[in-house]
Amino acid sequence: GAGVSQSPRYKVAKRGQDVALRCDPISGHVSLFWYQQALGQGPEFLTYFQNEAQLDKSGLPSDRFFAERPEGSVSTLKIQRTQQEDSAVYLCASRHSTGGSYNEQFFGPGTRLTVL
Amino acid sequence: GNSVTQMEGPVTLSEEAFLTINCTYTATGYPSLFWYVQYPGEGLQLLLKATKADDKGSNKGFEATYRKETTSFHLEKGSVQVSDSAVYFCALSDGKGNLIFGKGTKLSVKP
Repeated sequence: GAGVSQSPRYKVAKRGQDVALRCDPISGHVSLFWYQQALGQGPEFLTYFQNEAQLDKSGLPSDRFFAERPEGSVSTLKIQRTQQEDSAVYLCASRHSTGGSYNEQFFGPGTRLTVL
Repeated sequence: GNSVTQMEGPVTLSEEAFLTINCTYTATGYPSLFWYVQYPGEGLQLLLKATKADDKGSNKGFEATYRKETTSFHLEKGSVQVSDSAVYFCALSDGKGNLIFGKGTKLSVKP
């Protein structure tokens, strides 16, 4: 496909369960971002990868959140011991180049996580 | 720190009405500014952008001008259509290239 894809699109977890969310960026895109969007809010930055290197994880809300991109392509966001406050839409975005804050980020459709 | 404030919705307009969605920002340096749109059931899409002061971004009849003196980037459209119904997000790009978003404004256009 030509765009960013994410799976699953919807995930329901019981409190305390671990979840893994997958992002397939646009082929060849160097930069990859994860955002968290709570209901009725704008997306908030979680973490950023340049190829396989995680250069910024300042937005991860707790040490229960972990992201990886081992081969510089697909990325996985893992949340351990999920809590109700983790319920949100998790968005992935990719960007072709590394530099230039004006370069467009392309967003996936998101994964809606509901923690019961 | 960097932040974006946009007018709260929802905004309901009749078709062909004039649209303004206000957006102001706080930032160090000279960020790039963006408007993203989220149509029902779809992902975020870039609508327009401006990278420096006095730049005007435009797309699909929408316009926004980067005003450094008022730290604003208001979105306007002269004549809205039902198909413009969506949630609109103002955003800035910080020095690291990460996007900082406003809370979003839901627009509903009635025929």
